[in-house]
Amino acid sequence: DGGITQSPKYLFRKEGQNVTLSCEQNLNHDAMYWYRQDPGQGLRLIYYSQIVNDFQKGDIAEGYSVSREKKESFPLTVTSAQKNPTAFYLCASSNPLGFGGANYNEQFFGPGTRLTVL
Amino acid sequence: GENVEQHPSTLSVQEGDSAVIKCTYSDSASNYFPWYKQELGKGPQLIIDIRSNVGEKKDQRIAVTLNKTAKHFSLHITETQPEDSAVYFCAASKDRGGSNYKLTFGKGTLLTVNP
Repeated sequence: DGGITQSPKYLFRKEGQNVTLSCEQNLNHDAMYWYRQDPGQGLRLIYYSQIVNDFQKGDIAEGYSVSREKKESFPLTVTSAQKNPTAFYLCASSNPLGFGGANYNEQFFGPGTRLTVL
Repeated sequence: GENVEQHPSTLSVQEGDSAVIKCTYSDSASNYFPWYKQELGKGPQLIIDIRSNVGEKKDQRIAVTLNKTAKHFSLHITETQPEDSAVYFCAASKDRGGSNYKLTFGKGTLLTVNP
């Protein structure tokens, strides 16, 4: 059963603590993405990775860090430098090379992690 | 960079009526326009998309139209059902290559279909 998993679904942390959100995919996709969703704001891109060991900042990267050591994993760390970390975080992946006739632009999303910083 | 505007932010219709959501984009080089549906507490899911070499695309009760000259595209849902209630996002991107995998999303439309 292929897909994207994010864990945990709900996460609570105290202010000033770093926290790492997990994202795993078994779709064999090269590209992975992290978005932040706030009410009325849509989806805003935090970081993205087109290939293993490479990633780029998105539109709101400040206070976040990522790594891409394995193709199937793209963890996001929310650092204490992020001023408003409470949000719904979504991970996605896509297959930009479009092998097998796949839609190379389609992004497949995980179920999300709701982070609350107290 | 690309900017996508989406309207309305909320839309309420009676079951069986049609719903239309509109988006505009700023970058004339954008050529891929997907629509995503997000149910409460879940991640968005692609429902239909269109590329700039096509003016209209239909899939059962949903359709998308694209006007490249005016840089706007619209989602049309006919014969709405309560299960269509969700948040809908439009997005835009350029085709494959380099940093062109990024989607720029609109802010979303909360569609409520009243029984």
